[in-house]
Amino acid sequence: EAQVTQNPRYLITVTGKKLTVTCSQNMNHEYMSWYRQDPGLGLRQIYYSMNVEVTDKGDVPEGYKVSRKEKRNFPLILESPSPNQTSLYFCASSFAGPGNTIYFGEGSWLTVV
Amino acid sequence: SQKIEQNSEALNIQEGKTATLTCNYTNYSPAYLQWYRQDPGRGPVFLLLIRENEKEKRKERLKVTFDTTLKQSLFHITASQPADSATYLCALGKTDSWGKLQFGAGTQVVVTP
Repeated sequence: EAQVTQNPRYLITVTGKKLTVTCSQNMNHEYMSWYRQDPGLGLRQIYYSMNVEVTDKGDVPEGYKVSRKEKRNFPLILESPSPNQTSLYFCASSFAGPGNTIYFGEGSWLTVV
Repeated sequence: SQKIEQNSEALNIQEGKTATLTCNYTNYSPAYLQWYRQDPGRGPVFLLLIRENEKEKRKERLKVTFDTTLKQSLFHITASQPADSATYLCALGKTDSWGKLQFGAGTQVVVTP
């Protein structure tokens, strides 16, 4: 079954404590991306990756890091989380860029206190 | 600045009628436009993609139009059913920023029996 898997699904953490949200896809997709979703603001793109070792900023990259060492994995790193990073995060992937069918994960609810 | 606008008011519609949603954009020359369905607490699900040189696309009970002169896309759900109740998101992508995808905030549709 085609899947984009995120972990953890729910997390409460404290300000400044580094955390990583993992994302893995089993479809051999080249393109992967991270979004955050906040009430009234819709989905905003954080980072995207067109292929292994190729990453670029989206619209709201501040406070986040990513890496793409393997095709299937695209972790999102919050080096020093702050309360304004409390949000619902989605990972997504597609075969060859966002101009194709995009598959989203189920989301990761992150609360920073 | 670039803006993507969807009606923030929920659309309440009776079962069997056609629901029509609007996605307007400004300061944007999209190469393609996508529509997604999102249920509460779930990841968006891709529905349709229409490219800048296409006027209309259909998939089962769904129809999308794309008017680059009016800078608008219309999304129609014909013969609506209560199971169509969800939030519908539009998203735009550009050829000069191939990995970037920007979303509207979404419109909630409620179909009553």
